[in-house]
Amino acid sequence: SQQGEEDPQALSIQEGENATMNCSYKTSINNLQWYRQNSGRGLVHLILIRSNEREKHSGRLRVTLDTSKKSSSLLITASRAADTASYFCATPDSWGKLQFGAGTQVVVTP
Amino acid sequence: DAGVIQSPRHEVTEMGQEVTLRCKPISGHDYLFWYRQTMMRGLELLIYFNNNVPIDDSGMPEDRFSAKMPNASFSTLKIQPSEPRDSAVYFCASSNRGNYEQYFGPGTRLTVT
Repeated sequence: SQQGEEDPQALSIQEGENATMNCSYKTSINNLQWYRQNSGRGLVHLILIRSNEREKHSGRLRVTLDTSKKSSSLLITASRAADTASYFCATPDSWGKLQFGAGTQVVVTP
Repeated sequence: DAGVIQSPRHEVTEMGQEVTLRCKPISGHDYLFWYRQTMMRGLELLIYFNNNVPIDDSGMPEDRFSAKMPNASFSTLKIQPSEPRDSAVYFCASSNRGNYEQYFGPGTRLTVT
């Protein structure tokens, strides 16, 4: 089974609204990463949060990590149509392999 | 830097034919990963290399799949013979740190008829 599992599977919002998606994982980690994939493209790394961090910001992105609950959330503030994409969380295993979740499909309508 | 380069971008072939996918990682990155993405199975890691050496190929579906990395700037993923169920998007990614951010190529969309 996948290490990271995102929730919800799909999210539809209007421009200007915030989008929040969650990721749960099973084993101990030293970091958790979020990636974005636009339709027909490769994944793009968005942000990495280390296990000793609780919150991290990058532009309109805010990531939180709760290691006690083995969960993370990604918040996109003031969404734009260009934010329409699939978002994946990923965690490295002990060998350094990234385990990706199934992703959250976000649609932002103008 | 041009990023991770993959070729071809699209490949359509008939069942039974050999398919070779190519990847050029970002210069200086010593980790290279091959992934396959389908609607049914999501993103799957097939194999990864560190310093041109295959470290884990447990994700390679069967003996029809093979991957090589003859030097630090080039890797191939070969499918022989190809089957319709191999139809997917194949991504190559590279990293300069094993369990940190990976940089993905644009992918090769493979269709086997």
